[in-house]
Amino acid sequence: KQEVTQIPAALSVPEGENLVLNCSFTDSAIYNLQWFRQDPGKGLTSLLLIQSSQREQTSGRLNASLDKSSGRSTLYIAASQPGDSATYLCAVTRETSGSRLTFGEGTQLTVNP
Amino acid sequence: EAEVAQSPRYKITEKSQAVAFWCDPISGHATLYWYRQILGQGPELLVQFQDESVVDDSQLPKDRFSAERLKGVDSTLKIQPAELGDSAMYLCASSLNLLSSYNEQFFGPGTRLTVL
Repeated sequence: KQEVTQIPAALSVPEGENLVLNCSFTDSAIYNLQWFRQDPGKGLTSLLLIQSSQREQTSGRLNASLDKSSGRSTLYIAASQPGDSATYLCAVTRETSGSRLTFGEGTQLTVNP
Repeated sequence: EAEVAQSPRYKITEKSQAVAFWCDPISGHATLYWYRQILGQGPELLVQFQDESVVDDSQLPKDRFSAERLKGVDSTLKIQPAELGDSAMYLCASSLNLLSSYNEQFFGPGTRLTVL
């Protein structure tokens, strides 16, 4: 059974700092890995999707990398802002069963002004 | 910008009552998902549709939960009877097609259910 772990569970940083969020998964047979942002009491906003054949994806100040063989992904946030405060979730889809997402429990990020 | 719509946004009910949630996916998206998210945890899939057909309902508690997508567009998730442990956020998502190689899932705002 696929298990997804995110470390740290919570992170507090001062504004302007660059930071890295970590995601690991136990079964390397994945199809896609997706990073989401969730604000309190809200739905999920898709940030980046990396296909298993790709190594990284970038969108603005966000960069996500994927090392499928070691079962790891990182989300790099450059020049963090208070508006980046949210919970960040990573999720993977299994190679053999279509597109069900298996989620980690998330990293709660607080960026202090 | 196209979005996944859900209603209601909030629902408070007493245990043993019936509740229903509605989802309208992004236009043209063939695949629709219902996830449940307990506070502090990541979402877990309840049921997945491709058009009007169920693809995966292995984690749906079928004694009390049912889901349908009759015309392959919008969908309804029902709980009857509701139990205290059903209190959670119910999230609907859609993606272009199960067979697509780039199957990005887009989520709606969710329905927060509280069972008293």
